[in-house]
Amino acid sequence: SAVISQKPSRDICQRGTSLTIQCQVDSQVTMMFWYRQQPGQSLTLIATANQGSEATYESGFVIDKFPISRPNLTFSTLTVSNMSPEDSSIYLCSASLAPGELFFGEGSRLTVL
Amino acid sequence: AQSVTQLDSQVPVFEEAPVELRCNYSSSVSVYLFWYVQYPNQGLQLLLKYLSGSTLVKGINGFEAEFNKSQTSFHLRKPSVHISDTAEYFCAVSPHGGSQGNLIFGKGTKLSVKP
Repeated sequence: SAVISQKPSRDICQRGTSLTIQCQVDSQVTMMFWYRQQPGQSLTLIATANQGSEATYESGFVIDKFPISRPNLTFSTLTVSNMSPEDSSIYLCSASLAPGELFFGEGSRLTVL
Repeated sequence: AQSVTQLDSQVPVFEEAPVELRCNYSSSVSVYLFWYVQYPNQGLQLLLKYLSGSTLVKGINGFEAEFNKSQTSFHLRKPSVHISDTAEYFCAVSPHGGSQGNLIFGKGTKLSVKP
């Protein structure tokens, strides 16, 4: 298994600002991912964080809004840029050790006022 | 494309009673199937998964699920629930050959176990 730590665990932000979420895995993993869980909704994949190259974004998500870094095999960041209240969500980092077996962090609960 | 439908958004049940959380999926290709649990203020934890082989899958905490290909279902069951099982449960699918991280999740079922 893998232990995934995220910070901050929660934050309240002002409209128009940006917030960077950090994700640390306790072992080297090939694949890391970022998900969003909007209030009352299911999880949606934002992007795959690729080590040493640009992230791969899913339909509806763009790099300018959600820039992602992956400097090594255990760490990634997700920035939510120019935030609006619609960005209020839980953002979850995940890592894969085997096909289909994802481990998740505890999530970062973001509220935008 | 794939989709997952969890038929019940909330399931209240008394302690020691059996429970079934329903999950149906739609896919034009073969899929892997998963159940995750999310306890309050925590991340998601893998309960069980179906990749191939026996259609009855046993997971952690006494849960099991049965893959029914003809009904495209993967219902989660537990014969006797505890207060500590109170959580939100998510069914998810991943297409064979797809990205390891691209799970399609259902909207979740909140299980509430009452004494």
